[in-house]
Amino acid sequence: DIVMTQAPLSVSVTPGESASISCRSSKSLLHSNGITYVYWYLQKPGKSPQLLIYRMSNLASGVPDRFSGSGSETDFTLKISRVEAEDVGIYYCGQLLENPYTFGAGTKLELK
Amino acid sequence: QVQLQQSGAELAKPGSSVKISCKASGYTFTSYYISWIKQTTGQGLEYIGYINTGSGGTNYNEKFKGKATLTVDKSSSTAFMQLSSLTPDDSAVYYCARFGRVYPLDYWGQGVMVTVSS
Repeated sequence: DIVMTQAPLSVSVTPGESASISCRSSKSLLHSNGITYVYWYLQKPGKSPQLLIYRMSNLASGVPDRFSGSGSETDFTLKISRVEAEDVGIYYCGQLLENPYTFGAGTKLELK
Repeated sequence: QVQLQQSGAELAKPGSSVKISCKASGYTFTSYYISWIKQTTGQGLEYIGYINTGSGGTNYNEKFKGKATLTVDKSSSTAFMQLSSLTPDDSAVYYCARFGRVYPLDYWGQGVMVTVSS
């Protein structure tokens, strides 16, 4: 199975500042079709996960442009600029390249 | 609006089975697969599998073969997951999620807490 490793496990951010979360995969997530099958999800407290970023760098519908995704074949970054109170929760990266799809352990974002 | 409404919490005894449902609304049911995901405090998010809501074809994580059985009722736009031979390790929150080719897992149900205890 492809292992997804996130860092850090938790991050504390002052509102208005930026935050970055890293994710590394044990195998390249770049398909021969040119698509990189890494996704980012946010699980707000007491809620179900929601899709933030698809195919490494594309913003899902309704997601503020303060969020951005980038990376290479195995190293990925989610950046949140100008963190707001509504951004609190656990962020997961996931790979949907091959079965079984797998997720990172999550990064908990809190406000200072 | 797209909604996935899951059934209520389950309390089950070891060795028994439970069947949880996921009723979709707000979109054409057969245009998207339905995936199932297990969430525990210790293991995080685990992908169980998905069902092709049009054909009924399934794709499972090997780990959950024999544990989970995915079915669908197109007439009611509802997907089901049966968990069998339950053990305490099956205690978790189970989510269904819509699975599209471009936007996988873009909408999630509210989750069902399954507790296995004697």
